[in-house]
Amino acid sequence: GENVEQHPSTLSVQEGDSAVIKCTYSDSASNYFPWYKQELGKRPQLIIDIRSNVGEKKDQRIAVTLNKTAKHFSLHITETQPEDSAVYFCAATPGANNLFFGTGTRLTVIP
Amino acid sequence: NAGVTQTPKFQVLKTGQSMTLQCAQDMNHNSMYWYRQDPGMGLRLIYYSASEGTTDKGEVPNGYNVSRLNKREFSLRLESAAPSQTSVYFCASSATGTGGQPQHFGDGTRLSIL
Repeated sequence: GENVEQHPSTLSVQEGDSAVIKCTYSDSASNYFPWYKQELGKRPQLIIDIRSNVGEKKDQRIAVTLNKTAKHFSLHITETQPEDSAVYFCAATPGANNLFFGTGTRLTVIP
Repeated sequence: NAGVTQTPKFQVLKTGQSMTLQCAQDMNHNSMYWYRQDPGMGLRLIYYSASEGTTDKGEVPNGYNVSRLNKREFSLRLESAAPSQTSVYFCASSATGTGGQPQHFGDGTRLSIL
């Protein structure tokens, strides 16, 4: 099956700085890459996703980039705010319905 | 629109006891999933149901059974609970389409096995 690795496991940034989280995947057939945000004690919530026919996607302060050749994708958060503090998960799927998740990145935004 | 609803929210069991976790979705999704979440290990798929009447094993199915009762409901059963099954369990659902689809999660069930 697919293997997704995520780095770093923890990340602290000053408010207003940018944060970058990186993931790699193993299955070249993977074609859908969502990112989820999970606040403490809450459900994972989809924040952005990208498909393999697109190299970059933006939604306000959040962007995701995909490099199919290198099999890695990244989440970029600009102008970070304290409410961005959470655990972020990347995931990948080779076209089937089931997602393979990374192990998560705990982002702390310091006011 | 409730989305994905899980019951119960919390449960404490003794080793060897059995219980069923319930999940229902009101988004008319074909596919449903059960995950467990343990510290430092992300979300791991236990079982999934691509459509009503079908179920398949995920990454960590041992010790669990599932039932897709109808299009809305997908239950997870622990026949003989073990301490290693202490975890947070999430149910999710998604539409079916070409390639992957966004999954929508419930609020989770926090399960402790003593």
